[in-house]
Amino acid sequence: DTGVSQNPRHKITKRGQNVTFRCDPISEHNRLYWYRQTLGQGPEFLTYFQNEAQLEKSRLLSDRFSAERPKGSFSTLEIQRTEQGDSAMYLCASSFRKRGPSYEQYFGPGTRLTVT
Amino acid sequence: DQQVKQNSPSLSVQEGRISILNCDYTNSMFDYFLWYKKYPAEGPTFLISISSIKDKNEDGRFTVFLNKSAKHLSLHIVPSQPGDSAVYFCAAREGANSKLTFGKGITLSVRP
Repeated sequence: DTGVSQNPRHKITKRGQNVTFRCDPISEHNRLYWYRQTLGQGPEFLTYFQNEAQLEKSRLLSDRFSAERPKGSFSTLEIQRTEQGDSAMYLCASSFRKRGPSYEQYFGPGTRLTVT
Repeated sequence: DQQVKQNSPSLSVQEGRISILNCDYTNSMFDYFLWYKKYPAEGPTFLISISSIKDKNEDGRFTVFLNKSAKHLSLHIVPSQPGDSAVYFCAAREGANSKLTFGKGITLSVRP
């Protein structure tokens, strides 16, 4: 399968614990995005990378959130001191950008986080 | 402020008939629009897109129409099939800024 993969698919954690999610994009894609989706809402943008550079962060990304893409391939999203409001589906997407606007974004299956 | 609006939460159509899913936007800087389909427990799947320089794009059973003056787009599915039953998201992008802004989605049910 050459699509976007995310691990783990499900994570249950206690409030105050740290969690880390991983995303592996489609291999030739140089842009990688993180979104968060809560019940009844569409995905909301968190941050994106072009290669290893983090180019934009949403105001939704509080200081407890950090994302990395160290070698321009896979990415990790870490949430420190989780809160119940962090419970959501965390989606990763990737795309390939040449000159001009980037192409369509392809999403992974998501990681569902439940904070108890 | 909801920049992309899908005002109808659900739509039910008979198999073989046309499904029309609507989407409105408020940001006149949006220049590229996409539709995604989502099944439960899966990520959104790209369906079809349209640039703001066009008013129509067709791909098989799926056609997207864009009315820039009304800031409105619609997705037509003809003929509708039971396998089309899913949540459909409208999304938009602003210029070189590649992040997507999504609507809340609409649940389509196609009755056999």
